[in-house]
Amino acid sequence: QQQVKQSPQSLIVQKGGISIINCAYENTAFDYFPWYQQFPGKGPALLIAIRPDVSEKKEGRFTISFNKSAKQFSLHIMDSQPGDSATYFCAASMNSGYSTLTFGKGTMLLVSP
Amino acid sequence: DSGVTQTPKHLITATGQRVTLRCSPRSGDLSVYWYQQSLDQGLQFLIQYYNGEERAKGNILERFSAQQFPDLHSELNLSSLELGDSALYFCASSVRGDQETQYFGPGTRLLVL
Repeated sequence: QQQVKQSPQSLIVQKGGISIINCAYENTAFDYFPWYQQFPGKGPALLIAIRPDVSEKKEGRFTISFNKSAKQFSLHIMDSQPGDSATYFCAASMNSGYSTLTFGKGTMLLVSP
Repeated sequence: DSGVTQTPKHLITATGQRVTLRCSPRSGDLSVYWYQQSLDQGLQFLIQYYNGEERAKGNILERFSAQQFPDLHSELNLSSLELGDSALYFCASSVRGDQETQYFGPGTRLLVL
């Protein structure tokens, strides 16, 4: 059972454009939603994370929008750059004394020059 | 560089064999996680250890086992290997093992022939 659904699978955006990746979750007990970025040949690295007490979090060109009622959250990359070309994973976890992340299947982003 | 090291980087073996993957967490991190990444399943959580004790189990097969040693390094043992076990195996570490940043190693690419 896939608890975090991510779309699209792949995305091509022109340099300077906005990249948008969407995730939906099923488990209402999830209360921590990180995004990880993975470059080819590397392990994933935390990009930005949000908790459901806020609807938006911005760090530089990266913004998470969170809709608790719809059980959806999305990553927006403003002014996308070729260096942003990577695979992006959304994830979710619940505060149950330990934290295991449930990941979406990933979105391969290509920013064309 | 995340500070998490994994060895070996690549491993080629035959069906039915047994292999051991090794992970050294970041200095000061008490928790270690193991993930399997494949093209069709994405990043799947296998198991978590905290300060030598198993803390959480995910989609880990009975043929797979792990442990965390007193010096906090961890090993993932994969036995009776099947073609479908071919994947990237990542280790991640974190300080407390709760909802915090997980730092991923570079991964071990396993190919079962």
